[in-house]
Amino acid sequence: KAGVTQTPRYLIKTRGQQVTLSCSPISGHRSVSWYQQTPGQGLQFLFEYFSETQRNKGNFPGRFSGRQFSNSRSEMNVSTLELGDSALYLCASSGGQEGGEQYFGPGTRLTVT
Amino acid sequence: KNQVEQSPQSLIILEGKNCTLQCNYTVSPFSNLRWYKQDTGRGPVSLTIMTFSENTKSNGRYTATLDADTKQSSLHITASQLSDSASYICVVSRTGNQFYFGTGTSLTVIP
Repeated sequence: KAGVTQTPRYLIKTRGQQVTLSCSPISGHRSVSWYQQTPGQGLQFLFEYFSETQRNKGNFPGRFSGRQFSNSRSEMNVSTLELGDSALYLCASSGGQEGGEQYFGPGTRLTVT
Repeated sequence: KNQVEQSPQSLIILEGKNCTLQCNYTVSPFSNLRWYKQDTGRGPVSLTIMTFSENTKSNGRYTATLDADTKQSSLHITASQLSDSASYICVVSRTGNQFYFGTGTSLTVIP
């Protein structure tokens, strides 16, 4: 069974630009969660999508948005990039049930200059 | 406030030795607690998941304990190996699939 894949793996953008990251979950998984990881803050929850609907949301500004497609693939978009958005962005997929195992992808390393 | 605190922040041990990592939480209502291992540059990998009724769970050389009364968990690593060098993250979820992450313990195993 293929694992969670994320593209691209590395990205360099300039302040003010926007970026779209992609996540393909494990086949059959309907839930995709996105996280931001920085050295100082650790892992922080962005949002979770289940069956194309946002089910949970963390405390991030509206510049961070996401969506999920009918095949469960998910995209995350960050608009008007700031230097502080430089981070490792991880997505995790699960079956979506309470307490279910989450499987993480390798992450996308975003650098904003 | 729902929080997860881990200690120590970093740890260096000799290969072959045991170590214990701590996790204290204030997340409520509690659903489950997970320990993840994250190698540098990779996504976290689950080690154990424990619900309210479980107080010990093992995965090879990794043993997690949970005291739901005191809201504490520990991860014990036995006979450490160089490959155990990683960040260990404690994650507590609330009812409704909301997750709260600790900032992790960075473990370095030296020969």
